[in-house]
Amino acid sequence: DAMVIQNPRYQVTQFGKPVTLSCSQTLNHNVMYWYQQKSSQAPKLLFHYYDKDFNNEADTPDNFQSRRPNTSFCFLDIRSPGLGDAAMYLCATSRTRDSIYEQYFGPGTRLTVT
Amino acid sequence: AQTVTQSQPEMSVQEAETVTLSCTYDTSENNYYLFWYKQPPSRQMILVIRQEAYKQQNATENRFSVNFQKAAKSFSLKISDSQLGDTAMYFCAFMKLRNAGNNRKLIWGLGTSLAVNP
Repeated sequence: DAMVIQNPRYQVTQFGKPVTLSCSQTLNHNVMYWYQQKSSQAPKLLFHYYDKDFNNEADTPDNFQSRRPNTSFCFLDIRSPGLGDAAMYLCATSRTRDSIYEQYFGPGTRLTVT
Repeated sequence: AQTVTQSQPEMSVQEAETVTLSCTYDTSENNYYLFWYKQPPSRQMILVIRQEAYKQQNATENRFSVNFQKAAKSFSLKISDSQLGDTAMYFCAFMKLRNAGNNRKLIWGLGTSLAVNP
């Protein structure tokens, strides 16, 4: 089945130690999103890629970076995680042709910062 | 700027009964999409139903249906014959289409936590 895959599902890192979360998709969608979701809250968009074009949200801290080496993969890099960065990180995809607008989500990576 | 309001932080319903979750939104746009997403505990966010603003007919997906009132800017979700597996956080979301270009962002409500009781 076509899907959005996130690895790892659970990640523990130390305060200040860089961490990378990965997302891959078999849907061949041209748009990929990264969200941060804290407990019982709505997802907060960090940034997204429209094809190769990177779109950062104005309030996303510089501590968060992203890479998209090809259509299928996208990475979220947290350069110096703080305790406040502990959250669920969701990857989502969508496509802009055929008037398909909904986003398809991966299972998320739960990040713990110790 | 667009906003989405879900006025019911928590709701509960008995199995097999019907429940309605409310969502209102504020926009000056005429062309947009509305979505309901479901996020079960510790599980993946999935799309429940979507509604195109230009369509007057309310969207339906099996036991899930919406009551879309464009003039009132209301987009409620009705779940019929509730099942235990419907227990989840439900998010209402808005996406504008005009001049969206490469910026098709969802504007999210705060969510409604629904518990289906046996």
